[in-house]
Amino acid sequence: QKEVEQDPGPLSVPEGAIVSLNCTYSNSAFQYFMWYRQYSRKGPELLMYTYSSGNKEDGRFTAQVDKSSKYISLFIRDSQPSDSATYLCAMTDSWGKLQFGAGTQVVVTP
Amino acid sequence: NAGVTQTPKFQVLKTGQSMTLQCAQDMNHEYMSWYRQDPGMGLRLIHYSVGAGITDQGEVPNGYNVSRSTTEDFPLRLLSAAPSQTSVYFCASSYSGGQGRSNQPQHFGDGTRLSIL
Repeated sequence: QKEVEQDPGPLSVPEGAIVSLNCTYSNSAFQYFMWYRQYSRKGPELLMYTYSSGNKEDGRFTAQVDKSSKYISLFIRDSQPSDSATYLCAMTDSWGKLQFGAGTQVVVTP
Repeated sequence: NAGVTQTPKFQVLKTGQSMTLQCAQDMNHEYMSWYRQDPGMGLRLIHYSVGAGITDQGEVPNGYNVSRSTTEDFPLRLLSAAPSQTSVYFCASSYSGGQGRSNQPQHFGDGTRLSIL
């Protein structure tokens, strides 16, 4: 069983809708959580970085961490066609190596 | 802003050939790593380094070799290429969280797409 589970999608939404992405994990020691965006034929680009539980907002992006449920989410408000990409969650404890989810492909249709 | 630069962008090899994938960063990051990305598998760590002269194995190290003689460069060597090594390879770098910790956000290059025939 993978330590980090992420639905591969694709997730298709109309322009302007809210995109909701999530990952579940099994290692209770994880405390650093990240979301990356990856466009086709490009490297992952960091979107959000959070430590421990709670919410973090940055523009149209909101990251949520629920350590009690071992569940993290990323919400994208007012989605645009330029948000079409693969979104990867990643997490680690203080000393370990980053564990990545498989990525969710998002398609925002005009 | 160069960030993390990977060369080549594409490469086709025959089984048994060897080659080196190059990675350079200009952010003075202590921590550097190599990942491979395969469909449905996410990013898997091959090797990493917490500073010049220090390297260690990740999740899938077999068939790969690394060295780190400078802070800036972290090449990945395929010793004898096999079809199972067909993948997209990403190099990443970050500040260390101190004492070799790797909990800081990593900056990625744009990858090398490698096909082994």
